[in-house]
Order: sequence, then C-alpha cells, then structure tokens
Amino acid sequence: NAGVTQTPKFRVLKTGQSMTLLCAQDMNHEYMYWYRQDPGMGLRLIHYSVGEGTTAKGEVPDGYNVSRLKKQNFLLGLESAAPSQTSVYFCASSPEAGSQTFGAGSRLTVL
Amino acid sequence: AQSVTQPDIHITVSEGASLELRCNYSYGATPYLFWYVQSPGQGLQLLLKYFSGDTLVQGIKGFEAEFKRSQSSFNLRKPSVHWSDAAEYFCAVGAAGGYNKLIFGAGTRLAVHP
Repeated sequence: NAGVTQTPKFRVLKTGQSMTLLCAQDMNHEYMYWYRQDPGMGLRLIHYSVGEGTTAKGEVPDGYNVSRLKKQNFLLGLESAAPSQTSVYFCASSPEAGSQTFGAGSRLTVL
Repeated sequence: AQSVTQPDIHITVSEGASLELRCNYSYGATPYLFWYVQSPGQGLQLLLKYFSGDTLVQGIKGFEAEFKRSQSSFNLRKPSVHWSDAAEYFCAVGAAGGYNKLIFGAGTRLAVHP
C-alpha cells in the first residue's frame, strides 16, 4: 500500500548539472502532478499529466521538463540546474473524480 | 485570477484550546475547496474537502470547516487542539480548467503549547 513514492528524497547538485526526479504511484490514477514548495509560497504547480503520454504546463514550468511514458510513473527533469531551483518537490496523483494524494517530497539543493 | 489567502502565517495555541484557521479564496464560480495538513518532513495529507451540499464539512482528526460563499471563506476549526496537531496547514481551491488541479495558499504554521 505504497501510494505515491518519490525518489530520491534528497539531492545536492552543482549549478548546471542535470537530474531527474521519479514519481511512482500504485493506485492506477489517471492524473499526476509535480509541485514545488518554497517558504511562504505554499505549493506551486510545475507540470501535470492527465494520462499516459500526455503532459501540460502548470504555473511555474520554466527550467523543468516532464515525461509520462508509463501510467504509473511521472518524471521531472532539470536539464541545467540553477540555485533558484533549490526547493522541496512534491509529486501527487489523483483519479479522474477524486482528490490528490501526495508523496513525501524530494529536497533538492543547487549550489 | 484565482487565489487563496491564508492571513495567518503562524498561530500558537495551548493544548486543549479551540482553533480556527482562516482561508479566503478568489474564484468566480462555485469552488471546490480543500484543507491539507503537512507534518514536518512529510507530504500533504487531506483533512477535508467541500464540493457541494452541506456547507459544514467534517474531516479527519476531529477537524471541520465551513464554507461561507458570502465571505469567500473556508475556515478550518477544531474544538480542542492536541499537541500532535502541530503542523503546517494549507487551504487550496480547485483550479479552473479541471483535471483536479489545485491552487494553494501560503500555509499557516500551527504551534501547540502544553
């Protein structure tokens, strides 16, 4: 009964490096989301997906790319990390009619 | 544009005291409203939600919230706070365009004194 699993939980990058965050859900949910959480700003939607093979931009998409090749996985990529991308990243999923379930978060530091 | 405002950044209450966390939203249509709780180092857990019907909504852990359309508010309440309620609380509104997207407030951090 894992729900939404994010890997890795912690990562430190140098400016300009690339990385991928993986989100996996075992609830057969159609929709998946990536958020970033910054102090005093709540959660902001980066990208989302409404089904396998689809992606769409959220509120703050610049500097990020996503892919959903399999229904259960949603990947968030940073091609060239910047210090402004230091944040806590949350993945969530939801059924077509229902509420979002969140993962435990991935803390990223870009030096 | 849609927005959610949580006017209180930090709130401190004594254990056993009542609690009310404020949330105001901006949305032209009937909103879908949510309260989530985040314990330190954890993800967000859904406390309760309002879609339609009875404007007083009961949630988990003894929380309730009341939707007041005239005030564009969805305040969270608990009659008696426990030390384990110390956490950050987020109000959210369903975003226009569907797909269950959410717009979050900035959060209210609750501290509980023994």
